[in-house]
Amino acid sequence: AQKITQTQPGMFVQEKEAVTLDCTYDTSDPSYGLFWYKQPSSGEMIFLIYQGSYDQQNATEGRYSLNFQKARKSANLVISASQLGDSAMYFCAMREALGGGGYNKLIFGAGTRLAVHP
Amino acid sequence: DVKVTQSSRYLVKRTGEKVFLECVQDMDHENMFWYRQDPGLGLRLIYFSYDVKMKEKGDIPEGYSVSREKKERFSLILESASTNQTSMYLCASRMTGGFSGANVLTFGAGSRLTVL
Repeated sequence: AQKITQTQPGMFVQEKEAVTLDCTYDTSDPSYGLFWYKQPSSGEMIFLIYQGSYDQQNATEGRYSLNFQKARKSANLVISASQLGDSAMYFCAMREALGGGGYNKLIFGAGTRLAVHP
Repeated sequence: DVKVTQSSRYLVKRTGEKVFLECVQDMDHENMFWYRQDPGLGLRLIYFSYDVKMKEKGDIPEGYSVSREKKERFSLILESASTNQTSMYLCASRMTGGFSGANVLTFGAGSRLTVL
């Protein structure tokens, strides 16, 4: 069975500093995809960044980067220059195959609540 | 932008009531999903639909059913609500095909259901 683990229930960071949110995964599939979503207090899940298992480079999107360490099965999210608006829940997710029909779904970790302090 | 709209942000229902949670997307997406979100458990898949009239069970389908009569609308039904179904419910949609950076789940704002 595939699994996503986020070991940090809560994190604090000072505004303008960088923060790393941990995510480890477990899969036996050679081809997989990893996603990070942000959920502010409004409730809507916002897609941040994606990393494919065969991607050679670590993904980056603006202030977000993904520290992908394939051998360690980790896909940590790094947020640089934190802003007050980064305070939210952050979820790591992985693509999982659904039976033999070629379809798949996302499975999610438990999430990390990030608080950015001024 | 893709928009996924969940009709009710907050609902309070009584045990045994039949509950409908509605979700509408406006970008002609084939695939639609219902997740349940609970603290410490993340999001868990209840049901999904590949296309109109199609539905498949997710990881926790017990106590739920779904309906997809039109492509843009995916409804989650609690036949007889129970207190352990108090939760946040999230609807999502995407194009058909594999998940990738170009084909991600787009979520609605969620429906917080309380069952008394």
